[in-house]
Amino acid sequence: KAGVTQTPRYLIKTRGQQVTLSCSPISGHRSVSWYQQTPGQGLQFLFEYFSETQRNKGNFPGRFSGRQFSNSRSEMNVSTLELGDSALYLCASSDESGGLEGDTQYFGPGTRLTVL
Amino acid sequence: DQQVKQNSPSLSVQEGRISILNCDYTNSMFDYFLWYKKYPAEGPTFLISISSIKDKNEDGRFTVFLNKSAKHLSLHIVPSQPGDSAVYFCAASGAGGTSYGKLTFGQGTILTVHP
Repeated sequence: KAGVTQTPRYLIKTRGQQVTLSCSPISGHRSVSWYQQTPGQGLQFLFEYFSETQRNKGNFPGRFSGRQFSNSRSEMNVSTLELGDSALYLCASSDESGGLEGDTQYFGPGTRLTVL
Repeated sequence: DQQVKQNSPSLSVQEGRISILNCDYTNSMFDYFLWYKKYPAEGPTFLISISSIKDKNEDGRFTVFLNKSAKHLSLHIVPSQPGDSAVYFCAASGAGGTSYGKLTFGQGTILTVHP
């Protein structure tokens, strides 16, 4: 099976702009989670989608949003970019097949966002 | 409030010896624990996991031990190889509800294996 893919891999934006990142999960996986990785805060959970519904959300401002499509592909959007949004954004998928092992998340390569 | 802690920022080990990476957690609701390996500018790669009903899980050179009473887990790599050099993250997930799709990560430990 192909792994989790994320596009684009690198992105440079300026403050005030908005950005959309895309994630394609492993085939058959219906849960998609998003994380932000920064040197200071480590890996922080943004939100999770399952069957096109947001089931969980981390402690991030409303500028961070996402959605999931019927094919389980997901996008996240950050509006009004700030310098502090510069980070590696990671997407992960899991199959939610039942049992705890279904919670294992497999990560994509990430999108490196730089805000100038 | 950091619920998952990796207190050793770095670990240096000789090739062929054992590497032991440690992780502590505070939330007793966590019931599934995972270890990931990560290279810079790449996504984490899943290594091994353990559920709270077990105290040990092995996969090749990797063994994870869980001590629920101490809220402590460890990853043993035997024998260590130079290709194991990376950042290792411990992660935990809880039971349903507000934990859907959420892994809580430690800050990571940089493992360096010297030839």
